[in-house]
Amino acid sequence: DAGVIQSPRHEVTEMGQEVTLRCKPISGHDYLFWYRQTMMRGLELLIYFNNNVPIDDSGMPEDRFSAKMPNASFSTLKIQPSEPRDSAVYFCASSLRRFSTNEKLFFGSGTQLSVL
Amino acid sequence: GESVGLHLPTLSVQEGDNSIINCAYSNSASDYFIWYKQESGKGPQFIIDIRSNMDKRQGQRVTVLLNKTVKHLSLQIAATQPGDSAVYFCAEIIPPTGNQFYFGTGTSLTVIP
Repeated sequence: DAGVIQSPRHEVTEMGQEVTLRCKPISGHDYLFWYRQTMMRGLELLIYFNNNVPIDDSGMPEDRFSAKMPNASFSTLKIQPSEPRDSAVYFCASSLRRFSTNEKLFFGSGTQLSVL
Repeated sequence: GESVGLHLPTLSVQEGDNSIINCAYSNSASDYFIWYKQESGKGPQFIIDIRSNMDKRQGQRVTVLLNKTVKHLSLQIAATQPGDSAVYFCAEIIPPTGNQFYFGTGTSLTVIP
């Protein structure tokens, strides 16, 4: 398996523009997670899905952020409008089952977002 | 609130020496812990995990120790190699969520050749 695939690897945009980050989880994984990583706050969970359904979006910072998972093999994280403080590395991760069964979390390589 | 913190943000060791990375957690209800390694430009990768009913678990060149009395977790890397240079995160699962990892801010390990 190719692992969790994210695109783009790097995104540079101007404040106010819409940004869409994409993720393809590992085939067969039931859970998909979006994380944001910054130096100040480390890894923060934004939202996660189970079987394509959003379960917990309490980590989404503002209404400017939205995430969708139209099918088991694709998810998007959208920021509209983007702001400089959104600059971070955004990771997508997937897992087979709940962690209480010792299933591991597999991360993609991340999208480095810079909002100017 | 819950927090997972690391004692040292940076650690430098000589190649061949053993490394010890520490982590403190605050929630005594945490029942599952994982160490992740993140190399520059990559996502975190699983290293080793341990459940709260264990005190120690060994992998290949790595050992995780769990002290529930003082809520402390450590990762020991034997015979540290240049390829071990990375940021290391500990993460905990706190019941009853079961689905969310709480990550610490990470420790940067630099191996000096």
